Amino acid sequence: NAGVTQTPKFQVLKTGQSMTLQCAQDMNHEYMSWYRQDPGMGLRLIHYSVGAGITDQGEVPNGYNVSRSTTEDFPLRLLSAAPSQTSVYFCASSYLPGLAGGFFFGPGTRLTVL
Amino acid sequence: GQQLNQSPQSMFIQEGEDVSMNCTSSSIFNTWLWYKQDPGEGPVLLIALYKAGELTSNGRLTAQFGITRKDSFLNISASIPSDVGIYFCAGQLDVFGNEKLTFGTGTRLTIIP
Repeated sequence: NAGVTQTPKFQVLKTGQSMTLQCAQDMNHEYMSWYRQDPGMGLRLIHYSVGAGITDQGEVPNGYNVSRSTTEDFPLRLLSAAPSQTSVYFCASSYLPGLAGGFFFGPGTRLTVL
Repeated sequence: GQQLNQSPQSMFIQEGEDVSMNCTSSSIFNTWLWYKQDPGEGPVLLIALYKAGELTSNGRLTAQFGITRKDSFLNISASIPSDVGIYFCAGQLDVFGNEKLTFGTGTRLTIIP
């Protein structure tokens, strides 16, 4: 199993550009989520999904969209990038919806918005 | 949004020393987790605690779920160079896992040669 994979690993955007951060898992996990990590802030939940076709907002959803058309994939879209979105983004998945012990994190995408 | 208070923010220790860190919350959690993050990587689960008062070990690591359900502690004994990294606590309210994780701000551990 590859676990949770994220692409790209690094990305630089200009303000106003759009892009999609990819996340995939091959563990047949129902629950997937996106976090952002900023210095001194820990990890904050952006969006999550408890299964294909179902998504919901987390703590900091503004400026981000998600969709879940398959169990395996959970892309995160930035519609119009802003410097405040400069951060490291982590995707996580879990077998049971939100089961804490089974959270697996991807390696992260480091995004810089100029 | 809610965040957990994690202390200390950073630690500088010598190899072989023991390490203690803690996490406190203004509200209760039913699950406490401890993660370690290496540079350039995602967090990896170290220990999960599901019951108030529970004491769980994973090798040289020991974590405790506070009796009040508002805190948790992580101890590392006889530190080694590979212990370097950032340690995060996380709390979850719903024991069946339907609530999201709330993360602490992290403790950065550095080992001085």
